[in-house]
Amino acid sequence: SQQGEEDPQALSIQEGENATMNCSYKTSINNLQWYRQNSGRGLVHLILIRSNEREKHSGRLRVTLDTSKKSSSLLITASRAADTASYFCATDASYTQAGTALIFGKGTTLSVSS
Amino acid sequence: EPEVTQTPSHQVTQMGQEVILRCVPISNHLYFYWYRQILGQKVEFLVSFYNNEISEKSEIFDDQFSVERPDGSNFTLKIRSTKLEDSAMYFCASSERHWPELNTEAFFGQGTRLTVV
Repeated sequence: SQQGEEDPQALSIQEGENATMNCSYKTSINNLQWYRQNSGRGLVHLILIRSNEREKHSGRLRVTLDTSKKSSSLLITASRAADTASYFCATDASYTQAGTALIFGKGTTLSVSS
Repeated sequence: EPEVTQTPSHQVTQMGQEVILRCVPISNHLYFYWYRQILGQKVEFLVSFYNNEISEKSEIFDDQFSVERPDGSNFTLKIRSTKLEDSAMYFCASSERHWPELNTEAFFGQGTRLTVV
């Protein structure tokens, strides 16, 4: 089955630094999404990139997608302590022709210290 | 801003008991989902629901699980006879359109932490 697998598993940086997280997946996709999860809380959608897009920006977030390498990266620029959270990539997957589901990776835990 | 709400936030139940987790999706959304996250593990897809029927389900969603939209606003997940391994955070999500036709995002609730003892 398709899986998004993020690396690194954990990342610790100082405020103001950039954070880069990577995601790899196994099969072809229609789109790839990044979510954030604060400890013990729900998932917050960050950004969606379609398979025919190579790069997308949203505020301090920059996402790239390389379908030939089946990989994506999420860059958070000028990180803040409030960016501390787990970040997940999710790819669309079809169990049947009736619909699709999201397949999540294990996530990268980002810790930003002030 | 509209949001998906889930109740309760935390439920403790004895093994073998039935539990119902409740969700109120965003009002104009048509597609509903349940996911679960066992502590320290991935978020896993359980089931998607559209037009009052299951669109698809994963291998996790066995006969012990069922979903229902009992009225125009609620969306429920029932576990008939809970097992210890059902302990997890359960997330409800909804979307306005279904991937990948319009590539829209899913909005997730804050989750219900189910603890089976």
